[in-house]
Amino acid sequence: GIQVEQSPPDLILQEGANSTLRCNFSDSVNNLQWFHQNPWGQLINLFYIPSGTKQNGRLSATTVATERYSLLYISSSQTTDSGVYFCAVSYTGGFKTIFGAGTRLFVKA
Amino acid sequence: DVKVTQSSRYLVKRTGEKVFLECVQDMDHENMFWYRQDPGLGLRLIYFSYDVKMKEKGDIPEGYSVSREKKERFSLILESASTNQTSMYLCASSSPPSHRIDEQFFGPGTRLTVL
Repeated sequence: GIQVEQSPPDLILQEGANSTLRCNFSDSVNNLQWFHQNPWGQLINLFYIPSGTKQNGRLSATTVATERYSLLYISSSQTTDSGVYFCAVSYTGGFKTIFGAGTRLFVKA
Repeated sequence: DVKVTQSSRYLVKRTGEKVFLECVQDMDHENMFWYRQDPGLGLRLIYFSYDVKMKEKGDIPEGYSVSREKKERFSLILESASTNQTSMYLCASSSPPSHRIDEQFFGPGTRLTVL
């Protein structure tokens, strides 16, 4: 099956710093999502991005499907950005979504 | 906005009890999913459903069953709760593959403790 690897596993930032989170996947996929899991456990949708680039405020994401990776950029980080960021991939029609192990981010004030 | 709700945020049950976790979505999604999340093990799929009364086993269905009598509601049942089922349970829904976009939306989660 598809393998999803996220890096780095842990990241500590000073408030205001920028960061890049990476997601590598081992096979072609139709769907790719980025989620943020907040301290209360809820998974918040950040981006649905099977290919191309999207931006939403301080966050942006790029997926290069042909090279099987996606990047999540966080600029001017805030303490509320803390939590775990997950990348998840699937085939359309395959039903099963494969999640990476996540990147745990802590932003210091 | 898609909204997925779960019946409880926190639940404490005793070993051997029958436990019902309920999930409701309001976007007419056909696909619904139950995951559990444990430290170091990530998100694991328990069951999913692609239509009313249809269900498919995920990666870890043992000890669980599901029910989907209405399109908007997907229930997870622990027939006889055990301590190793203490976990965070997450429900999700998504639009069907025929819509090309297969984006999952999650509920707030239920932290279940089995004593």
